[in-house]
Amino acid sequence: DVKVTQSSRYLVKRTGEKVFLECVQDMDHENMFWYRQDPGLGLRLIYFSYDVKMKEKGDIPEGYSVSREKKERFSLILESASTNQTSMYLCASTTSGSHEQYFGPGTRLTVT
Amino acid sequence: AQSVSQHNHHVILSEAASLELGCNYSYGGTVNLFWYVQYPGQHLQLLLKYFSGDPLVKGIKGFEAEFIKSKFSFNLRKPSVQWSDTAEYFCAVNGGGYNKLIFGAGTRLAVHP
Repeated sequence: DVKVTQSSRYLVKRTGEKVFLECVQDMDHENMFWYRQDPGLGLRLIYFSYDVKMKEKGDIPEGYSVSREKKERFSLILESASTNQTSMYLCASTTSGSHEQYFGPGTRLTVT
Repeated sequence: AQSVSQHNHHVILSEAASLELGCNYSYGGTVNLFWYVQYPGQHLQLLLKYFSGDPLVKGIKGFEAEFIKSKFSFNLRKPSVQWSDTAEYFCAVNGGGYNKLIFGAGTRLAVHP
């Protein structure tokens, strides 16, 4: 079974803090994605990566950056957390030959 | 631009009722369509998918969906829901390169015993 893990299930940070969310997949998938999930808005793509050190902006990249130094690991960075970044963050991965994405459990981030 | 529209944000049903959740998409190319489900406190997981062939696809837990190309629709159905089907359901379509998906806003289903 594909397994996608995320570093924290719940996180509380203060405004202005730098926040790191980590995602690890164990299936050697080329593509990895970061979404945020908000009620009534579904999943919105923040960033994705199609290879080590390669990244592309998604639909809502402002206020975020990413890092992919190893194939299995994809990090989302909030450079200076703000209250409007309070959300559920989901990581997903897929092989290059498929659109079927496998999701992690999510990190519920609260910024106070 | 590609988009996915889910018609109902909240649906409330009694057990044994029939379910149909609407999904319409906008995409000009070859479509791959998905329904994902998120049970309370759990991962988003794949319910069913359509790539090609028979437009009526069957998924897990008795769910099925029908791809109607002329209507740009991929509605999810289940003949008789159970309390355990209480979850949020997301429709998605492939959106551009790199195996990206475009998701709908989701439909929250509550099934009452």
